[in-house]
Amino acid sequence: GQNIDQPTEMTATEGAIVQINCTYQTSGFNGLFWYQQHAGEAPTFLSYNVLDGLEEKGRFSSFLSRSKGYSYLLLKELQMKDSASYLCAVTDSNYQLIWGAGTKLIIKP
Amino acid sequence: DTAVSQTPKYLVTQMGNDKSIKCEQNLGHDTMYWYKQDSKKFLKIMFSYNNKELIINETVPNRFSPKSPDKAHLNLHINSLELGDSAVYFCASSQPGQGDLNYGYTFGSGTRLTVV
Repeated sequence: GQNIDQPTEMTATEGAIVQINCTYQTSGFNGLFWYQQHAGEAPTFLSYNVLDGLEEKGRFSSFLSRSKGYSYLLLKELQMKDSASYLCAVTDSNYQLIWGAGTKLIIKP
Repeated sequence: DTAVSQTPKYLVTQMGNDKSIKCEQNLGHDTMYWYKQDSKKFLKIMFSYNNKELIINETVPNRFSPKSPDKAHLNLHINSLELGDSAVYFCASSQPGQGDLNYGYTFGSGTRLTVV
């Protein structure tokens, strides 16, 4: 079966750095997405990785290792507005998106 | 504004009723989707549809039916609503193809359905 695993909840302090991990087992791989979803709102696109390595976008970076079926989202200089759920999703061989349940990130002052 | 828009944002209805949720995208995308997000926050694909093919998640009850009058619209019709249908329903669109995967899916703002 297809499976995406990520921690249910994480807590971090404002100004700090947090890493949210995602492991996946899918039938084929055509890329991995990270989405941010604030409570009561739609998911919004953060990043896309299809090759191994680190992609940096401002305070957010995403890493992929295809051989390990592993990705992480790194958030630096955390702000209170970063409190949200972070969803990992993998595109399988049929270009269907398989979603993780999301990691709820709580930022404390 | 370019976007995926869905209406209504909130829908409260009684068991047994039939209801529809509308979705429109003006992004020129070829494929549209309906997702259900339950209380545990899992996003589950219900349907994906382009102008050629409807793909149905076999776990979706046949009380749910997508209706697409044209490429820019994919409405969701639900018959005989049940308590377990209460969830947030998201419409989304994408343009499958190598160059556009970088932008992922664009989601509508969601419809919170409550069946009482």
